[in-house]
Amino acid sequence: DTAVSQTPKYLVTQMGNDKSIKCEQNLGHDTMYWYKQDSKKFLKIMFSYNNKELIINETVPNRFSPKSPDKAHLNLHINSLELGDSAVYFCASSQVLAGGHGETQYFGPGTRLLVL
Amino acid sequence: GIQVEQSPPDLILQEGANSTLRCNFSDSVNNLQWFHQNPWGQLINLFYIPSGTKQNGRLSATTVATERYSLLYISSSQTTDSGVYFCAGDSSNTGKLIFGQGTTLQVKP
Repeated sequence: DTAVSQTPKYLVTQMGNDKSIKCEQNLGHDTMYWYKQDSKKFLKIMFSYNNKELIINETVPNRFSPKSPDKAHLNLHINSLELGDSAVYFCASSQVLAGGHGETQYFGPGTRLLVL
Repeated sequence: GIQVEQSPPDLILQEGANSTLRCNFSDSVNNLQWFHQNPWGQLINLFYIPSGTKQNGRLSATTVATERYSLLYISSSQTTDSGVYFCAGDSSNTGKLIFGQGTTLQVKP
């Protein structure tokens, strides 16, 4: 059973299109995240949700909009895709303890987005 | 925000050799993890280690929280150990992991 799953694994699309990436975790965690890994392998957090509430919203263009229908799902919608959006997007989840201390974050397999 | 610096940036080993990877933090962290990104791009958890020492097979990690660094030891390296090793920490109690730039390890047969 996959703990954190993402769909699709690969996404090739044209500039200007709108696309979504879905993420689901079956670990019972209350917090989910989106990270972006650029072509130089640098990983940076984009968003996190705790029990469907937005907790972290980094300096990300507002073309990116996360949506959490329930605490097991966190989807990422991207409008008007640009060449610079090409990257690998990772979803992750963890349990956040009382006092805000986080535990191990588990990552999905990644979605490789290529914008042409 | 905190800065995370990893060294060395690149490492080439002969199979069977041992190595030590280092991670320095600019501020104290309360959540520290080591990951291995394999050649297929998958991020695999190695250790959750905000302090102390842990061992898992040929891998072990030590974090000295008061001195803001962590070490990952790989013993008797194998070709399957190749990939990029990342450390990441959270200083904000929000789960916001800040990643280092990674150490790219190549183990030659």
